[in-house]
Amino acid sequence: EIVLTQSPGTLSLSPGEKATLSCRASQSVARNYLAWYQQKPGQAPRLVIDDASRRATGIPDRFSGSGSGTDFTLTISRLEPEDFAVYYCQQCANSPLTFGGGTKVEIK
Amino acid sequence: HVQLQESGPRLLKPSETLSLTCTVSGDSLSSHYWTWIRQPPGKGLEWIGNIHDSGNTNYNPSLMSRVTISIDTSKNQFSLKLNSVTAADTALYYCAGGLGWSSDYWGQGSLVTVSS
Repeated sequence: EIVLTQSPGTLSLSPGEKATLSCRASQSVARNYLAWYQQKPGQAPRLVIDDASRRATGIPDRFSGSGSGTDFTLTISRLEPEDFAVYYCQQCANSPLTFGGGTKVEIK
Repeated sequence: HVQLQESGPRLLKPSETLSLTCTVSGDSLSSHYWTWIRQPPGKGLEWIGNIHDSGNTNYNPSLMSRVTISIDTSKNQFSLKLNSVTAADTALYYCAGGLGWSSDYWGQGSLVTVSS
């Protein structure tokens, strides 16, 4: 199975700053079928980015995804208060689908 | 607007069978993949498996010997059964769905506790 490693584990930033989250796969993710989810306390995850770079419906354009093969990045250009949450990457290319361990973006 | 709602027993004893149903409203089940994902308290996400409306299934090998996912298009529902549960199966169980293998739609989650 494909193992996803997310870094850093925690990102401490202030509103207005830029967040850069990394997701590295143990083998190439076919067709860049890599998704990013946002999860806030007490809520279900929400799809943010699909297919490595396509924003999901309703996601603001300050969120962007990039990368291919084994290295992927989620960037939040200017953090808003509602963006502080845990973010998970998921590879959707090979069964079993797998998630990374998550990156917590917290207020500094 | 697609909505998903999990239902089923929340407290189980070791060795019992976990049974959850997800009712989908706002869209039919056709041409979608429907997924079960779980999250132990305070931990990350684990993919359990998915089913297409055609009936094709994929399971996590770590659970494959104990899990069954089924679909009932007439009721707009899909279900999860997990046999021989232990305390390690205590988690928040989410049903989810999408046109591809990623999940656009999520239920609110159902906390299932396994305890003697």
